Amino acid sequence: DIVMIQSPEFLAVSLGERATINCKSSQSVFYSPNNRHYLGWFQQKPGQPPRLLIYGASTRAYGVPDRFSGSGSGTDFTLSISSLQAEDVAIYYCQQYVSTPPTFGPGTKVDIK
Amino acid sequence: EVQLVESGGALVKPGGSLRLTCAASGFSFSDTWMSWIRQAPGKGLEWVGRIKRMSDGGPIDYAAPVRGRFTISRDDSSNTLFLQMNSLKIEDTAVYYCSTGLGHTDNDFWGQGTLVTVSS
Repeated sequence: DIVMIQSPEFLAVSLGERATINCKSSQSVFYSPNNRHYLGWFQQKPGQPPRLLIYGASTRAYGVPDRFSGSGSGTDFTLSISSLQAEDVAIYYCQQYVSTPPTFGPGTKVDIK
Repeated sequence: EVQLVESGGALVKPGGSLRLTCAASGFSFSDTWMSWIRQAPGKGLEWVGRIKRMSDGGPIDYAAPVRGRFTISRDDSSNTLFLQMNSLKIEDTAVYYCSTGLGHTDNDFWGQGTLVTVSS
């Protein structure tokens, strides 16, 4: 199984400041037949199910604000929130879906400083 | 609008059985792969298993901790996904989500979840 590691475990950022979360996979999540990275980012607020934010490592899902961006390649990926808003307080998970079983990172909790 | 509604969660004793249901609407259910994912209280997300479209055939995939105890099935005539859970263990306590992918990942959309508690 591909192991996903996230850092940091907890992140406190001032309103309007940038938040950056890292995700590393134990194997490449690149799918060469379509030249895509099978890496997604999910946001989970308390008491709610996860919500897809980013797929293909860098493409925002429908309706996701453009302050969220994803980047990276191979085994190293980043989720950035350019200007943290109060409603962004949540736990963020990365997931690889290039191989079975799909696996999630342990999550990064983002809060307001 | 895509909707996934889970039901069937309950308190059950270790060794017991439970069947979860996920009612799907707002998309072509028979054309999509469906997954179950669980989340133990205060913990992260754990993939449980996935069933492909009937037209794709092939085996149903399960996570190692549930293989041989859990069975995923689907009824395309009623747009319903099922999770039959047997020989339940305390460590199966979790909120169980059904999820589907509609072109981006396997898990583009999620239901609200149903709580399964395994305790004596």
